[in-house]
Amino acid sequence: EDKVVQSPLSLVVHEGDTVTLNCSYEVTNFRSLLWYKQEKKAPTFLFMLTSSGIEKKSGRLSSILDKKELSSILNITATQTGDSAIYLCAVEDNYGQNFVFGPGTRLSVLP
Amino acid sequence: GAVVSQHPSWVICKSGTSVKIECRSLDFQATTMFWYRQFPKQSLMLMATSNEGSKATYEQGVEKDKFLINHASLTLSTLTVTSAHPEDSSFYICSARGVGAGFEKLFFGSGTQLSVL
Repeated sequence: EDKVVQSPLSLVVHEGDTVTLNCSYEVTNFRSLLWYKQEKKAPTFLFMLTSSGIEKKSGRLSSILDKKELSSILNITATQTGDSAIYLCAVEDNYGQNFVFGPGTRLSVLP
Repeated sequence: GAVVSQHPSWVICKSGTSVKIECRSLDFQATTMFWYRQFPKQSLMLMATSNEGSKATYEQGVEKDKFLINHASLTLSTLTVTSAHPEDSSFYICSARGVGAGFEKLFFGSGTQLSVL
C-alpha cells in the first residue's frame, strides 16, 4: 500500500529561524512529489518534483527530491509568522490517478 | 494559475437531509477530480476519484451510496452527502487536475465545512 510519512508532525520556531521539513514515501510507481501549504482552507501549491537532485526554489522556500532515499525536504529560510501553516507532502503514482498525502507538518512561527 | 471553485463554503443541515457540494474548474478542463475529507488537525483523506463521464472510484471504507459523486462535465463535479448524520460533519475539499503543461498538479477548491445537527 502506498504510504507517505512526514516529520516532524509539529514544529515551533521563532521568526528568522531556518526549518527543514521531511517527507518520505513508499509508492509502487512513483511519478512526482508535490508540496502544498495549507493555512486555513485550500492547500496552495508550492513545488512539484520529478527528478532527483534538482533543487527548486521560490523565494525563501526550496525543495529537493532524492529518489534513491525515497524522500524529499522542504527548506524555509528566515521564517516569518506568515509561514505558519500545515505543509503537506503528496506523492503521485505513475498512473496519475492516485495522489497520496502525508499527515502534514504543522509549523508555527512565533514573532 | 488555474482556479477551482467550491460551493458552498459552509453549510449547516439537519440530520437526515442531503447536502450537495459543487466543485468547478473555472479556467481549465478537469479530466480528473478528487474528493477529500479532512478532520481537524489531520491530513487530507481521499474519499474518491472521479473522471469525467465515468463512475467514481471510491476508497476503501467510503460508502458510495452515502457519498454520491457525479462528474458530468469537464468543469463540474458534485458530491452529495445523503441522509447526513452528525458523524458526517467535517471539512470536505475537492481538487482537480487537467491535461497539458502546468496542469499536472492538483488545484484545490476552498473547501466546504459541513455541520450536521
